Amino acid sequence: QQQVKQSPQSLIVQKGGISIINCAYENTAFDYFPWYQQFPGKGPALLIAIRPDVSEKKEGRFTISFNKSAKQFSLHIMDSQPGDSATYFCAAISGSARQLTFGSGTQLTVLP
Amino acid sequence: GAGVSQSPSNKVTEKGKDVELRCDPISGHTALYWYRQSLGQGLEFLIYFQGNSAPDKSGLPSDRFSAERTGGSVSTLTIQRTQQEDSAVYLCASSFTSGGYEQFFGPGTRLTVL
Repeated sequence: QQQVKQSPQSLIVQKGGISIINCAYENTAFDYFPWYQQFPGKGPALLIAIRPDVSEKKEGRFTISFNKSAKQFSLHIMDSQPGDSATYFCAAISGSARQLTFGSGTQLTVLP
Repeated sequence: GAGVSQSPSNKVTEKGKDVELRCDPISGHTALYWYRQSLGQGLEFLIYFQGNSAPDKSGLPSDRFSAERTGGSVSTLTIQRTQQEDSAVYLCASSFTSGGYEQFFGPGTRLTVL
């Protein structure tokens, strides 16, 4: 059973544009929602994370929006740059389970 | 400081052989995790260590898979009698506390079973 659904599978954005990736979860026990960025041949790198008591968190060009009632969260990348081209994974964790449950990933391409 | 390191970076083996994959977590991190990344299954959890004990082995796909951690630091993932479906990237992560909320990943070991 896929507990975190991620869309779109791939995304192409022009340089300077806004990239938006969406995730939805089912398990209400999840209490921490990180986003990871992965470049080819590298491990996932923690990008930004949010807890469900906050509706938005911003770090530089990256913003997470969180809708607890809808069980949805999204990553917005403002002023997207070619260097942002990577695969992005949303994830969720509950303190009791300890394990990260990942979405299926979004391959982002930012055109110069 | 140094991040999570894994070795080897690549491993090619023949079907039926045993392999050992190593993970060195970030110094001071008490929790360690193994994940597997494959095209068909995405990123999936295998096992979690708190110190040297493994309270959660629920993700290990079969009894051919085992892992241990010694001295609260280095961990080894062992796959016995490898099968072609074991081909994947095996990722290790560590976190400072057992809550595991901030998990930092290593570069992975790409395993190819011929």
